[in-house]
Amino acid sequence: KAGVTQTPRYLIKTRGQQVTLSCSPISGHRSVSWYQQTPGQGLQFLFEYFSETQRNKGNFPGRFSGRQFSNSRSEMNVSTLELGDSALYLCASSEGQGGKTQYFGPGTRLLVL
Amino acid sequence: AQSVTQLDSQVPVFEEAPVELRCNYSSSVSVYLFWYVQYPNQGLQLLLKYLSGSTLVKGINGFEAEFNKSQTSFHLRKPSVHISDTAEYFCAVSSNNAGNMLTFGGGTRLMVKP
Repeated sequence: KAGVTQTPRYLIKTRGQQVTLSCSPISGHRSVSWYQQTPGQGLQFLFEYFSETQRNKGNFPGRFSGRQFSNSRSEMNVSTLELGDSALYLCASSEGQGGKTQYFGPGTRLLVL
Repeated sequence: AQSVTQLDSQVPVFEEAPVELRCNYSSSVSVYLFWYVQYPNQGLQLLLKYLSGSTLVKGINGFEAEFNKSQTSFHLRKPSVHISDTAEYFCAVSSNNAGNMLTFGGGTRLMVKP
């Protein structure tokens, strides 16, 4: 099976713009989670979607949003970008919950200027 | 709330020496425990996980970890490291009442020297 894919891999935006990142999970996986990785804050959970429903949300401002489609593909959106949003955004997919292994994609590196 | 502490931010070790990367967690509920590895410019790869049962867990690439409930620890070990093990290692926890949300430690950079 193909792994988790994320597009684009690299992105440069300016402050105030918005951005949409995409994640295609492993075939058959219905759970998709998003994480932000920065040198200062480390890996932080953004949100999780399961069968098109948001199951959990991390402690991020409302500028960060996401959605999941019927084919389990997921997108996350960041509006009104700030310099501090520069990070590696990782997506992970899983068959279900309860300790199921999460498989991570290579990430999208976002640079906000 | 859950938290994970990785006690060492960097661990230098010579090739073929043993290594232990330490991880302590805090949680008010039962947890699942994970170790992930991240190579430069890549995502995270699962090394091993503890869900229940035997406290000694064996993973890929010769790594193993031991769950110690009384000490709330889940240390990662390898008896003999290779240059290719140089990477960032992350300990993480989740619980059965929080879906797939992983809480990560700050990471430990393992630097294997020839």
